[in-house]
Amino acid sequence: RKEVEQDPGPFNVPEGATVAFNCTYSNSASQSFFWYRQDCRKEPKLLMSVYSSGNEDGRFTAQLNRASQYISLLIRDSKLSDSATYLCVVNRANGGSQGNLIFGKGTKLSVKP
Amino acid sequence: NAGVMQNPRHLVRRRGQEARLRCSPMKGHSHVYWYRQLPEEGLKFMVYLQKENIIDESGMPKERFSAEFPKEGPSILRIQQVVRGDSAAYFCASSPREETKNIQYFGAGTRLSVL
Repeated sequence: RKEVEQDPGPFNVPEGATVAFNCTYSNSASQSFFWYRQDCRKEPKLLMSVYSSGNEDGRFTAQLNRASQYISLLIRDSKLSDSATYLCVVNRANGGSQGNLIFGKGTKLSVKP
Repeated sequence: NAGVMQNPRHLVRRRGQEARLRCSPMKGHSHVYWYRQLPEEGLKFMVYLQKENIIDESGMPKERFSAEFPKEGPSILRIQQVVRGDSAAYFCASSPREETKNIQYFGAGTRLSVL
């Protein structure tokens, strides 16, 4: 089983649509969770951290379910500029350094006019 | 307030040559991480360094790859005797402190092409 699994997509949606991405992780000891965004041939950029209580940043809402080891990202009122690959990221908690991030392969979103 | 700086942005090497990739972390950041992204794949952790110390190199291939982060100057990822399979995007990230939530900021990457 992969450490972080995501539906690769692509998700093709019209402008204004609401779209949801899901992610599961295998290491129950993981402590930190993030969504990053990666545009084509660019570096990953932090979109938001994910907390157990759920958190929202404008049109973006992230949820974490530790019991199910499941993370989600909801994008409301999608814009053309939201087109990118969304990366689910989990820290590696192996008792040693917590500096290692485990990246999912990403879910590709394409927002059409 | 420069971000994470990587150079070169693009590097072309022939099989058997050496590749040196450089990374300067964000100002005030003392932790550096290297990741590799193969085409159509996710980022894979390679190595985590602090100044003059390798903290975790569990993702580094056993041969030909090495990394350093000297007291002065940028972090260097060195690949000896490159092979075609080394062609990838290599990203460097930095963070200010290990005790934080591991929020890492990425450089623009070095795209290595091995001919």
